[in-house]
Amino acid sequence: GAVVSQHPSRVICKSGTSVKIECRSLDFQATTMFWYRQFPKQSLMLMATSNEGSKATYEQGVEKDKFLINHASLTLSTLTVASAHPEDSSFYICSASGGGNQPQHFGDGTRLSIL
Amino acid sequence: AQSVTQLDSQVPVFEEAPVELRCNYSSSVSVYLFWYVQYPNQGLQLLLKYLSGSTLVKGINGFEAEFNKSQTSFHLRKPSVHISDTAEYFCAVSPPTGANNLFFGTGTRLTVIP
Repeated sequence: GAVVSQHPSRVICKSGTSVKIECRSLDFQATTMFWYRQFPKQSLMLMATSNEGSKATYEQGVEKDKFLINHASLTLSTLTVASAHPEDSSFYICSASGGGNQPQHFGDGTRLSIL
Repeated sequence: AQSVTQLDSQVPVFEEAPVELRCNYSSSVSVYLFWYVQYPNQGLQLLLKYLSGSTLVKGINGFEAEFNKSQTSFHLRKPSVHISDTAEYFCAVSPPTGANNLFFGTGTRLTVIP
């Protein structure tokens, strides 16, 4: 149980393109979803937290207009990287939690490469 | 505020040998503690967690960890590693309000040598 599906697994696109990444909880209701960014050989950095039906809460230094998060249902959250540039290239990972003391369950990540 | 320190960035170990991956934390309040494993180009998989109760926690894949409050540590151990254990391991803490705010360590790369 507690499966989180993240799609796509890899994206390669030109600079200026907007990229959407989906995160789905397949067998549980995710009241909270999280988006992380991971640079090579580094730890995960929390970008934002989203609760279903509410606006996302962004961490300091994360551009809200660059990284658009939508959490429209209890099973789906999306991250859109608007007008992506090479410096946005990274590994993006989502996680989902049923709330309370429930642990976060992670997707398999999306490798984003902007040329 | 919480923080996590994983002192060893890389740990090489021979197959079937024991291993310990160290994790220390600092917090002004009690915390929940987690160990996650990340295989190449994948997300994180929960190995084990400590919320309360017994300080020795057993997880998946033969791993265990012991919570030591006085030393503020939560070291991960396995008595005999396999090649398939080669991966990145992350220690994380969260405040007792829930697992919704995870603070990760910088990770330890475990390499099992045949």
